[in-house]
Amino acid sequence: GENVEQHPSTLSVQEGDSAVIKCTYSDSASNYFPWYKQELGKRPQLIIDIRSNVGEKKDQRIAVTLNKTAKHFSLHITETQPEDSAVYFCAARYQAGTALIFGKGTTLSVSS
Amino acid sequence: DVKVTQSSRYLVKRTGEKVFLECVQDMDHENMFWYRQDPGLGLRLIYFSYDVKMKEKGDIPEGYSVSREKKERFSLILESASTNQTSMYLCASSFPGDTEAFFGQGTRLTVV
Repeated sequence: GENVEQHPSTLSVQEGDSAVIKCTYSDSASNYFPWYKQELGKRPQLIIDIRSNVGEKKDQRIAVTLNKTAKHFSLHITETQPEDSAVYFCAARYQAGTALIFGKGTTLSVSS
Repeated sequence: DVKVTQSSRYLVKRTGEKVFLECVQDMDHENMFWYRQDPGLGLRLIYFSYDVKMKEKGDIPEGYSVSREKKERFSLILESASTNQTSMYLCASSFPGDTEAFFGQGTRLTVV
């Protein structure tokens, strides 16, 4: 089955800096890669996703890049704000009809 | 507004008890999932279901079973609760394909 590795486990940045979280996956057949944000005490929510036929996707201050050859994808947050502080999870799904497999999460702290 | 509702926010059970965690979604989603969330371990898939009466094992199914008698409801059953099943349990649902998974608010289960 699929295995997803996520790094770093914790990340501290100053407000206004950029943050990058990286994930690798094991199954080359995986084709869908979402990112979820979980604020303290709340449920995970989708913030951005990318499919295998696309190399990059952007939504305002967040972007995701995918390198299928290397089997890794990354989340980029620019101009970080204190409200970006949360746990971020990457995930992969290796075929339709299967479930998302998540990484272990990255705790992002943005200090003002 | 999509709603995934878990029956309890907090639950305390004794070792050896049979425990039922209920999840209901109101979006007519075919897929439903149970994840377990532990610090440092991320979201681990226990079971998922892609149709009524259908179920698939996830990465950590041992000690758990599931039931899906109706499309909107997916139950997680701990046949004989043990202290190592103390955790946060998250239910999620989605349409088939590359679509967003919506999470419930979570049930924090403590087994004493």
